[in-house]
Amino acid sequence: SAVISQKPSRDICQRGTSLTIQCQVDSQVTMMFWYRQQPGQSLTLIATANQGSEATYESGFVIDKFPISRPNLTFSTLTVSNMSPEDSSIYLCSVSGYTFGSGTRLTVV
Amino acid sequence: SQELEQSPQSLIVQEGKNLTINCTSSKTLYGLYWYKQKYGEGLIFLMMLQKGGEEKSHEKITAKLDEKKQQSSLHITASQPSHAGIYLCGADLQIYSGGGADGLTFGKGTHLIIQP
Repeated sequence: SAVISQKPSRDICQRGTSLTIQCQVDSQVTMMFWYRQQPGQSLTLIATANQGSEATYESGFVIDKFPISRPNLTFSTLTVSNMSPEDSSIYLCSVSGYTFGSGTRLTVV
Repeated sequence: SQELEQSPQSLIVQEGKNLTINCTSSKTLYGLYWYKQKYGEGLIFLMMLQKGGEEKSHEKITAKLDEKKQQSSLHITASQPSHAGIYLCGADLQIYSGGGADGLTFGKGTHLIIQP
């Protein structure tokens, strides 16, 4: 199965700034998924990213807040924009139910 | 209401004892994934079930999917300290897809503590 390299593994950011999270896959994949895990909560799907088309966002998530890029079949980025403390979460990328990145632990202060 | 109910929310078990975690859906489970997560880290894939009545085992962990494909259980035999962590079930609730092709819906997790 595919292996995902996700970075950064953690970051502490000032409110109002933006952070871009990267996921690199060791093989070509059609779809990549971005999830958020708020403290003490389960994972929630943010969006699905297909190469060559705009990402599809789940209810409650918008492109202006979480812009996603998918420039090729092995790479994707998620940006958390204009951050507030409520954005403090673990963000994970996935390429299937089998394979997740190691997660980015974001703290907004 | 939560589409995927996971129980119990937390579990404290004495080392060597058996335990069971349940995952129940109001919808048909077209794929059911079990994961382990250590605090603040990524997910470790354990097992995936798709067929009604299916059962899979790996070392001391067994997962089952009921015949109606709406409930799954994860059973750990003779628990060890290495089993401690958060167990999550993730479900593919979309028909015509498999392997989490539409993204997964997750339960809230079960926090397992093993007491020596």
